[in-house]
Amino acid sequence: SSELTQDPAVSVALGQTVRITCQGDSLRSYYASWYQQRPGQAPVLVIYYKNNRPSGIPDRFSGSSSGNTASLTITGAQAEDEADYYCNSRDSSGHLREFGGGTKLTVL
Amino acid sequence: EVQLVESGGGLVKPGGSLRLSCAASGFTFSSYSMNWVRQAPGKGLEWVSSISSSGTYIYYTDSVKGRFTISRDNAKNSLYLQINSLRAEDTAVYYCARRETFTYDSGSYYSYFDYWGQGTLVTVSS
Repeated sequence: SSELTQDPAVSVALGQTVRITCQGDSLRSYYASWYQQRPGQAPVLVIYYKNNRPSGIPDRFSGSSSGNTASLTITGAQAEDEADYYCNSRDSSGHLREFGGGTKLTVL
Repeated sequence: EVQLVESGGGLVKPGGSLRLSCAASGFTFSSYSMNWVRQAPGKGLEWVSSISSSGTYIYYTDSVKGRFTISRDNAKNSLYLQINSLRAEDTAVYYCARRETFTYDSGSYYSYFDYWGQGTLVTVSS
């Protein structure tokens, strides 16, 4: 089982703000990265390091971190943001990688 | 344009073997660490293995140690995953992913998966 914990499901009204969290001891030492996965598609990087977005990712996506918790915030959620979101970080050894269990985001 | 294209998946009986391949293009393959990540049907992502740019450093998740072997051929811009002694729980889509790395704060490093392939399905069933 993953040592990064995410809420299994979160919902948000269209145009509202939603925060997806990821908790784990390794996050006290390492920044997380965040991936969006739409049904039937490969994951896509949306946030990395402190709060960096790859080109092409809308600025409504942002990241933050505090203590053992990393957060992905979507400000003004759109219908196309409905997807599964996964956090990822190094594990406590520093050599391996681990994913959170994923959060299914529903946009109402 | 960066492209990663996996191949080699299929239906295999328990105890069988497969060799997955990932063909890379659009970047200097020999400069990047590469990873395999899998996703069982209806489940989340699971990191499987990583290999450094030169092939010197290799890591596996515990559940595949001794059964899976990651390798690369930088001359052919290709990443491989040899999977042996397959079990039903290995059934998954297997993705290859490029890992980008940078250093910060006087020597610490940070890495993330910036490009992914579309995946290849491995089904283990009798």
